[in-house]
Amino acid sequence: EAGVAQSPRYKIIEKRQSVAFWCNPISGHATLYWYQQILGQGPKLLIQFQNNGVVDDSQLPKDRFSAERLKGVDSTLKIQPAKLEDSAVYLCASSLDWGLATQNEQFFGPGTRLTVL
Amino acid sequence: AQKVTQAQTEISVVEKEDVTLDCVYETRDTTYYLFWYKQPPSGELVFLIRRNSFDEQNEISGRYSWNFQKSTSSFNFTITASQVVDSAVYFCALSDRSRGGKLIFGQGTELSVKP
Repeated sequence: EAGVAQSPRYKIIEKRQSVAFWCNPISGHATLYWYQQILGQGPKLLIQFQNNGVVDDSQLPKDRFSAERLKGVDSTLKIQPAKLEDSAVYLCASSLDWGLATQNEQFFGPGTRLTVL
Repeated sequence: AQKVTQAQTEISVVEKEDVTLDCVYETRDTTYYLFWYKQPPSGELVFLIRRNSFDEQNEISGRYSWNFQKSTSSFNFTITASQVVDSAVYFCALSDRSRGGKLIFGQGTELSVKP
């Protein structure tokens, strides 16, 4: 079974530029998460989708970050304009369905390492 | 508020030693789930275990074992006879069922196993 795919793996941009990340979850997984992991810290949720609807985006800096999951499968996360503090690893994860009675584990992709200069 | 604390930032052991990684959590939920993930140098988070709040039985999987104690809000992870391949950052996480099941991670413990 294929895992969570992410691209690109690495990205270097200058501040004020824009960047986009792509994620393809495990087939059949209804729930998709984007996490931000700053060096030396644990991942922090940015946004969660259930199919193509947003469940939680309370920690997404909406003035510069946006995300979509139009057909309920792939997702893109965009930053525009980027700031120095956005340098981090952006992790995509998927799970079967968060609404199930049992909390299923989240499967993570390899991440995109963003460096903002 | 939900919170996970991993007080040990870095641990260094010699191969074949046993090592315990501590995890303390805070939650007001009566039903919750706890997880451990491993993050090797490649960066991908690898799922190790899930435990729900109603199941306090300790679990053993090969060289790995987990001790869940609700009375002390702890979910500790022990590696027996550590190996160099165990070197990684280990994260403890708590699921926030009231907010879509997102994971709240601790700061992580970096384990270095030297030959």
